[in-house]
Amino acid sequence: DAKTTQPTSMDCAEGRAANLPCNHSTISGNEYVYWYRQIHSQGPQYIIHGLKNNETNEMASLIITEDRKSSTLILPHATLRDTAVYYCIVRARHNAGNNRKLIWGLGTSLAVNP
Amino acid sequence: GAGVSQSPSNKVTEKGKDVELRCDPISGHTALYWYRQSLGQGLEFLIYFQGNSAPDKSGLPSDRFSAERTGGSVSTLTIQRTQQEDSAVYLCASSATGGTGELFFGEGSRLTVL
Repeated sequence: DAKTTQPTSMDCAEGRAANLPCNHSTISGNEYVYWYRQIHSQGPQYIIHGLKNNETNEMASLIITEDRKSSTLILPHATLRDTAVYYCIVRARHNAGNNRKLIWGLGTSLAVNP
Repeated sequence: GAGVSQSPSNKVTEKGKDVELRCDPISGHTALYWYRQSLGQGLEFLIYFQGNSAPDKSGLPSDRFSAERTGGSVSTLTIQRTQQEDSAVYLCASSATGGTGELFFGEGSRLTVL
């Protein structure tokens, strides 16, 4: 599985957009970019995923560069409840081969401040 | 239930004792994962079950760790002769084969070995 690089921590003011970057320069053609977040003392929660097109859902937007080597997760109006560790991982969609192991880094610890 | 259920939520045991952790995945999900998360660390893959296929045990750290999944549903992770370094949060996740690939996590079982 391709590995990802994320900043260790970020701060964001409540109500402002939080832009969380992720580098995945070794991503292969069949690998998707997935984002999860983990609020303190809870299990990780799926946010969004994409292959090459930008994606948006009720939680966030995902912007993937044309060369697919990096992406940005955007929380358009961050709230205090968005304070969490955000993980960017890459994987093929199907549960086969090494895809199942899902290499999880340390993620980005986002602090949303009042 | 609607989500992945794990029990116990907290377990304190003495060094050398055996422990069993239980995971009840989302109904109909054929893939089940166990991860371990030590304090301040990312998720470490332990074992993966997919339908009736042989499990991928490549992430189990030692032969004291084992897991089974009965009837393609509930899974039990067993740690024999626990050591202090086994202290961590053990997370279970399930996913639907053929779905969009996202993992649904339980709240985890926090194991403390004294």
